[in-house]
Amino acid sequence: RKEVEQDPGPFNVPEGATVAFNCTYSNSASQSFFWYRQDCRKEPKLLMSVYSSGNEDGRFTAQLNRASQYISLLIRDSKLSDSATYLCVGDYDKVIFGPGTSLSVIP
Amino acid sequence: DTGVSQDPRHKITKRGQNVTFRCDPISEHNRLYWYRQTLGQGPEFLTYFQNEAQLEKSRLLSDRFSAERPKGSFSTLEIQRTEQGDSAMYLCASSLTNSPLHFGNGTRLTVT
Repeated sequence: RKEVEQDPGPFNVPEGATVAFNCTYSNSASQSFFWYRQDCRKEPKLLMSVYSSGNEDGRFTAQLNRASQYISLLIRDSKLSDSATYLCVGDYDKVIFGPGTSLSVIP
Repeated sequence: DTGVSQDPRHKITKRGQNVTFRCDPISEHNRLYWYRQTLGQGPEFLTYFQNEAQLEKSRLLSDRFSAERPKGSFSTLEIQRTEQGDSAMYLCASSLTNSPLHFGNGTRLTVT
């Protein structure tokens, strides 16, 4: 099993839709997790940290399920500007990234 | 500018040549990471340092790749005898332990 797995998508959703991504991890020792956003040909940038059960920031909600070893990202009221690739990562020392989930928000 | 900086931004080289990239992390960050990324893929872990110590190196990395962080500050990544398959974006990131990574803009390598 890969250390971090994500559904690569692409997810094509209309503006205003709610979309959710899941990410599974294999290292149960991981203590905190992060979601990054990456625009085409740009470097990844931190979107949200998930230190305990979850975190909410405006339209974005991240949740952690330790028992099932997955984290999720929920985006409400999608905007065109949300179109990007979303990467999850566990924080154990090597900081392994998932393959990313591609989101396209359509007018 | 207090972000992570990488140099050069672009590098075009002929197959068989050696190349070296530099990364200057955020000054107070003790950890430094190197990743390689190709189009449509997530960043692939190469190696990371805690201060000057290289703690892990990916098994995917051949002996042609070497990285150093001699004084626990900037780091270099060298690729010897480059191959066309080495063409990719090379990303450097730094962080404090167990804190989010901050990425540089990357070095785009093209091997012809």
